[in-house]
Amino acid sequence: AQSVAQPEDQVNVAEGNPLTVKCTYSVSGNPYLFWYVQYPNRGLQFLLKYITGDNLVKGSYGFEAEFNKSQTSFHLKKPSALVSDSALYFCAVRVLYGGATNKLIFGTGTLLAVQP
Amino acid sequence: KAGVTQTPRYLIKTRGQQVTLSCSPISGHRSVSWYQQTPGQGLQFLFEYFSETQRNKGNFPGRFSGRQFSNSRSEMNVSTLELGDSALYLCASSLEGDTLNSPLHFGNGTRLTVT
Repeated sequence: AQSVAQPEDQVNVAEGNPLTVKCTYSVSGNPYLFWYVQYPNRGLQFLLKYITGDNLVKGSYGFEAEFNKSQTSFHLKKPSALVSDSALYFCAVRVLYGGATNKLIFGTGTLLAVQP
Repeated sequence: KAGVTQTPRYLIKTRGQQVTLSCSPISGHRSVSWYQQTPGQGLQFLFEYFSETQRNKGNFPGRFSGRQFSNSRSEMNVSTLELGDSALYLCASSLEGDTLNSPLHFGNGTRLTVT
C-alpha cells in the first residue's frame, strides 16, 4: 500500500535559520510526491511536486524539496525561515493504480512554528 | 480569476440529519475532489469527479455521496449524520484529470459540526 509519513508533529525554528520538514514515503512503483501548506482556517496550497528528473525540486515561496530514492524521503527545505512560513505542512503521494487521477494520500501534517 | 468556492463556510447540524455541501471549482476546471480533515484522522480522500463521472472513491460509508454537474460544480451529501462526521470538508479542483499535470487548488472548506 502507498503511504507517506511525517515523523514530526511540530518543528520549531528561529527566523532566518534554515528549516527542514521531513517526509518519507512507501510506494511500490515510481513515486509522485507533493508538498502542500495550510494556513489557519484556509484550504491547502500547492508548493511543489516531484515526478521525475532532478532530485532537487524548487517550488513556491522559496521552498525546495530533496528527493532521495535510497532513503525513500522527500524533505521540504528553505534556506532562511520567515515568521510568515508558520503553518501546517502536508506531504502527499499520488496513488499509482487506476490510471489518471487526482487522488492523493496525505501525511499527518507537520506544524511549522517560526519564532521571531 | 476566482478560486474554489465552498458554501457554506460553517454548518451546525444535529445527529440523524442530512447535509449538502457545495463546491464551485475554478472556471475551466473539470475535476473536483473532496477530502475530509479531522484532527484524529488527518486528510482523507472521499471521492473525485471528472466530467460528471465519479472516478475514485475513498473508504467512507455509503452515507457519503457526491455528484458533479455539467458546469463542473459539485455537491456532496452526508445522510444520517453522526457525531464523528464533524470535520472540515475540503473541495479541490484541477484543470486536468491528473494531478501530475496540474495541481489541486483547494477551497477554504466547510466546517461541519454535528451535535
